[in-house]
Amino acid sequence: EPEVTQTPSHQVTQMGQEVILRCVPISNHLYFYWYRQILGQKVEFLVSFYNNEISEKSEIFDDQFSVERPDGSNFTLKIRSTKLEDSAMYFCASKGTGGVKLFFGSGTQLSVL
Amino acid sequence: EDQVTQSPEALRLQEGESSSLNCSYTVSGLRGLFWYRQDPGKGPEFLFTLYSAGEEKEKERLKATLTKKESFLHITAPKPEDSATYLCAVQLNTGNQFYFGTGTSLTVIP
Repeated sequence: EPEVTQTPSHQVTQMGQEVILRCVPISNHLYFYWYRQILGQKVEFLVSFYNNEISEKSEIFDDQFSVERPDGSNFTLKIRSTKLEDSAMYFCASKGTGGVKLFFGSGTQLSVL
Repeated sequence: EDQVTQSPEALRLQEGESSSLNCSYTVSGLRGLFWYRQDPGKGPEFLFTLYSAGEEKEKERLKATLTKKESFLHITAPKPEDSATYLCAVQLNTGNQFYFGTGTSLTVIP
């Protein structure tokens, strides 16, 4: 079965540093999402992306966050200046046109020190 | 305010002991309710989608039902491999995002 791939699986960074989390969605999907899950808390929506632009974003997705689809296969989440509270598991997900099922990657565990 | 609440937070069952997980929702307009399974260190894995009150879906030992206010995930004769966190999510008819509940952590003891 096709799957969403995320790299790296773990990322450790210093507070104030920039990080880029990478995702390869399923190839024929057109809707892309980033979610995050702080340890012990719920999965939280960050942003959705369709047709090369952000379609929705949450309050969490402030000016420190950005997303990009630099080519036909990758989808990235950038955090410009990381904070301690950005430490979480970040999940990428994708969905096909007309589909309802979200396919999630295995996540990137981000630790900000 | 749109809300999704799951209960209980954690559930321990003996192998073969059937039970139900609850997902209550208060949303302005429901497009669909989704159940996911999440294993430790992994992303959520899709189980079911329900669209309208009265709808039921089944898969192996799991059955999901939906009313106008809540959904149940019934687990019949669970096995240790059913141990996971079960997440409920709703999609509103005003957008594409999904709102997740906090999940129920299920442990099935052999």
